[in-house]
Amino acid sequence: GAVVSQHPSRVICKSGTSVKIECRSLDFQATTMFWYRQFPKQSLMLMATSNEGSKATYEQGVEKDKFLINHASLTLSTLTVTSAHPEDSSFYICSARDLSQGVFRYGYTFGSGTRLTVV
Amino acid sequence: GQQLNQSPQSMFIQEGEDVSMNCTSSSIFNTWLWYKQEPGEGPVLLIALYKAGELTSNGRLTAQFGITRKDSFLNISASIPSDVGIYFCAGSQGAQKLVFGQGTRLTINP
Repeated sequence: GAVVSQHPSRVICKSGTSVKIECRSLDFQATTMFWYRQFPKQSLMLMATSNEGSKATYEQGVEKDKFLINHASLTLSTLTVTSAHPEDSSFYICSARDLSQGVFRYGYTFGSGTRLTVV
Repeated sequence: GQQLNQSPQSMFIQEGEDVSMNCTSSSIFNTWLWYKQEPGEGPVLLIALYKAGELTSNGRLTAQFGITRKDSFLNISASIPSDVGIYFCAGSQGAQKLVFGQGTRLTINP
């Protein structure tokens, strides 16, 4: 089945630094990837949709200059949290789907998540 | 952002009991998905529903896509300890982003 690999699983960084999170589709081409943020005991909130080769579409209230998304290939999307602050500490999860194989072949497959702690 | 109304928010049951949870929406969705999430992990797909009225099973799990396309339910029969986790419903309108429910936290007493 479709597998999405996300790295790192955990990262601790100092306030003001930037952190990059990678999301890879291992056995399929992901023309569309999604980035979510999840706070403790809450649901997943979509941050942005990235399409291979084009700019990401950000949800309302998400700062595009703070959360940089790059989807330069069909198997890799990255989320960079720039100038991180403690309030950015959260669980970030990516999801991928492949539309080129027809609707719903892989559905939406999620990565294992990245726990970001900003100190 | 938009969310689905998922209930109950939490359940405390005895091992062996059946579980039922549901999601409703004011909007029509053409795909309903049910995920399970364990601590520190991403959601894992349990059941996908693509047609109104569809009833699909995956082992002890059964889910249905409501006729109105505005709701879905998930049943777990004969619960076991490894069923513990948070269950999320999610809906999609076409080949678009997923909208999630608030989650149902399932706790099982052995």
